[in-house]
Amino acid sequence: GQNIDQPTEMTATEGAIVQINCTYQTSGFNGLFWYQQHAGEAPTFLSYNVLDGLEEKGRFSSFLSRSKGYSYLLLKELQMKDSASYLCAVGSSGGYNKLIFGAGTRLAVHP
Amino acid sequence: DAGVTQSPTHLIKTRGQQVTLRCSPISGHKSVSWYQQVLGQGPQFIFQYYEKEERGRGNFPDRFSARQFPNYSSELNVNALLLGDSALYLCASSLSGIEQYFGPGTRLTVT
Repeated sequence: GQNIDQPTEMTATEGAIVQINCTYQTSGFNGLFWYQQHAGEAPTFLSYNVLDGLEEKGRFSSFLSRSKGYSYLLLKELQMKDSASYLCAVGSSGGYNKLIFGAGTRLAVHP
Repeated sequence: DAGVTQSPTHLIKTRGQQVTLRCSPISGHKSVSWYQQVLGQGPQFIFQYYEKEERGRGNFPDRFSARQFPNYSSELNVNALLLGDSALYLCASSLSGIEQYFGPGTRLTVT
């Protein structure tokens, strides 16, 4: 079966660091994606990991361990505008790349 | 550069009716995918098209159909609407087949 788990909600303080975890069990694997989605808007692409290790992109970093079926998104120097849902998604294999999404983690950043 | 565009933005339909949603991909992108996002959940894969051919289909009933045109735009059709079809319908386009870029979505309400 296909299963992607991430916490439902998290809160953090402006300026702090937050780590959002994601575990997955899928029948195929073609990369791990993180998307940000503000309420009422479309998901926007944040990061893509296909090999184990850490990918850093500005204030955002994403980590992948394929053997453990585990990823995390690290957000540094949190800003109020980072309040959003963060979606973990696995790309399936098999000739095309469909994304299998988790339910998302709602992050609330407060002053 | 224009991103993925979708029309209409919002739509209200009655049970049993039919609906057509439209998507224009980013210029140069030949792959289009459709997702359904119910409130509080992550997007669920419906279809993927590449070069006008269906590449993949998610676990949705035959009431859902789609096609892709020579200019790579796409339509999603849903027949015999049910209350449970109320959702945000997202279109995503891709150049490489890996990173997918989402449009703003069409909010469908079935009454």
